[in-house]
Amino acid sequence: QEQMVESGGGVVQPGRSLRLSCAASGFTFSSHGMHWVRQAPGKGLEWVAVIWYDGSNKYYRDSVKGRFTVSRDNSKNTLYLQMNSLRADDTGVYYCARAGGGNAIHYWGQGTLVTVSS
Amino acid sequence: QTVVTQEPSFSVSPGGTVTLTCGMNSGSVSTSFYPSWYQQTPGQPPRTLIYNTNTRSSGVPDRFSGSILGNKAALTITGAQADDESDYYCLLHFDTVWVFGGGTKLTVL
Repeated sequence: QEQMVESGGGVVQPGRSLRLSCAASGFTFSSHGMHWVRQAPGKGLEWVAVIWYDGSNKYYRDSVKGRFTVSRDNSKNTLYLQMNSLRADDTGVYYCARAGGGNAIHYWGQGTLVTVSS
Repeated sequence: QTVVTQEPSFSVSPGGTVTLTCGMNSGSVSTSFYPSWYQQTPGQPPRTLIYNTNTRSSGVPDRFSGSILGNKAALTITGAQADDESDYYCLLHFDTVWVFGGGTKLTVL
């Protein structure tokens, strides 16, 4: 059974950094692209980034380009999101999600909360 | 910047049928954008309902169906049940980025 567990969230001051991790199990991690999706408190879903199954391609939403970096370690079945120069509007629950057929997201983690506040 | 549009809210009676739509501020939604649909209840992660316009995800009841209606993607719920009361989001794929709609809050009453 597919499972993804995010970690690394917390409270951080504006301008500081944070690294999220997502441990995957129950599927062949190295065969699937992976997404990060976030949700600000009381707001809708917002796509953040995607990484190809082999790490060869990475794409980001405009508002995080140059500040966030997605990476993966297929030997550890783990996805990462390095977040630098954090801003208040980066606050939210960050979900790790598995890509699948039809260019869609097929499975979701439970999420980890990031709060950017002084 | 492409904006993906959804009805902010919708209401349906138990047993009724409702169609939620997903459009764009410029242009028409087609299968080329690989529309997918997600259901979310408060405090829970999203659940994938439909992908590739009209393919149901594993375990999703057949009363959920996806289609293209006119210039929009559509999610139809037939025979709505109380536990269908949720937020529904569409997602469109644009080459190297993905964009969610703003979501529709569905009330069943």
